[in-house]
Amino acid sequence: EAGVAQSPRYKIIEKRQSVAFWCNPISGHATLYWYQQILGQGPKLLIQFQNNGVVDDSQLPKDRFSAERLKGVDSTLKIQPAKLEDSAVYLCASSLTAGNTIYFGEGSWLTVV
Amino acid sequence: AQTVTQSQPEMSVQEAETVTLSCTYDTSENNYYLFWYKQPPSRQMILVIRQEAYKQQNATENRFSVNFQKAAKSFSLKISDSQLGDTAMYFCAFRVTGNQFYFGTGTSLTVIP
Repeated sequence: EAGVAQSPRYKIIEKRQSVAFWCNPISGHATLYWYQQILGQGPKLLIQFQNNGVVDDSQLPKDRFSAERLKGVDSTLKIQPAKLEDSAVYLCASSLTAGNTIYFGEGSWLTVV
Repeated sequence: AQTVTQSQPEMSVQEAETVTLSCTYDTSENNYYLFWYKQPPSRQMILVIRQEAYKQQNATENRFSVNFQKAAKSFSLKISDSQLGDTAMYFCAFRVTGNQFYFGTGTSLTVIP
């Protein structure tokens, strides 16, 4: 079974530029999550989708971050404009339903300079 | 509010020895799940073990086992016969069914040859 796929793995951008990350969850997983993990900290939930609807985006900085999950499968997370403090690993994860174990992708490393 | 506390930022263990990582959590819910995730330097989060709160029996997965004390809200991870490949960050996580995951701040484990 294929795992959660993410791309790109690494990205370096200048502040005020934009960046987009893509995630393809495990086949059949209805719930998809985007986490931000700053070095030395635990993952922080940015947004949770159930199929193509948003369940929780309370910690998403909506002035600069946006995410969508069209057709309830793949998802894209966008940051525009980026700030230095956005440097982190962006982890995508998925689960069968909202009550099950979540499985993570390898993460997308973002460095903002 | 749900919180997860890992009080040991760093730990080390000799190869082949046993080590225990601590985790406490706080919740008013009765039905929930607890997890331990391993994060090697590649930063991909890998599920180590999972425990349902309604189960009294402690979960075990090969060399990994937990000591789940529901009344004390404690969920420690024991790694037996430690191997060099166990070197990683370990995150304790907690989830109420249907809601988001809450992660601790992590414990960095080093296995010494």
